[in-house]
Amino acid sequence: GQNIDQPTEMTATEGAIVQINCTYQTSGFNGLFWYQQHAGEAPTFLSYNVLDGLEEKGRFSSFLSRSKGYSYLLLKELQMKDSASYLCAVKDSNYQLIWGAGTKLIIKP
Amino acid sequence: DTAVSQTPKYLVTQMGNDKSIKCEQNLGHDTMYWYKQDSKKFLKIMFSYNNKELIINETVPNRFSPKSPDKAHLNLHINSLELGDSAVYFCASSKNVVGQGTGELFFGEGSRLTVL
Repeated sequence: GQNIDQPTEMTATEGAIVQINCTYQTSGFNGLFWYQQHAGEAPTFLSYNVLDGLEEKGRFSSFLSRSKGYSYLLLKELQMKDSASYLCAVKDSNYQLIWGAGTKLIIKP
Repeated sequence: DTAVSQTPKYLVTQMGNDKSIKCEQNLGHDTMYWYKQDSKKFLKIMFSYNNKELIINETVPNRFSPKSPDKAHLNLHINSLELGDSAVYFCASSKNVVGQGTGELFFGEGSRLTVL
């Protein structure tokens, strides 16, 4: 079967750095997405990785290792507004998106 | 100006009833989707339309029927509602069909359906 694993919940301090990991086992790979979802709101796109390496976008970076079936989302200079769920999703060989259950990130002052 | 809008935002109804959720996007995208997000927060694709044509039809009870009158609209009708249908239903759109480009999704705000 196809599987995306992420930690259920993480806690971090305002101003700090946090890394949210995602491991996947899918039938094929055609890209990996990270989305942010605030409670009661729609998911919004953060990043897309299709090649190995680090993609940086402001305070957020996303890393991919296809050989390890692994990605992480790195959030720097954490702000209270970063409290949200972070969803990892992989496009499989049929270009279907397989979603993880998300990691709830709690930021404390 | 809302990019992907869906109505209603909240829906509370009795088992056995029929209900509809409407979705509209003003992004000029060719592809639209319906997703279901259950209590465990998994997002599951239900349907996808590209230019009014059904391209993804996952294993969903046939009580669920999508309808796309034009490429900017994708509605979801649910017959004979059951308790297990309670979830948040998200409409989404993307510029390209699955497999082309990044396929970044733009989501509506969700419609929270509660079946009593």
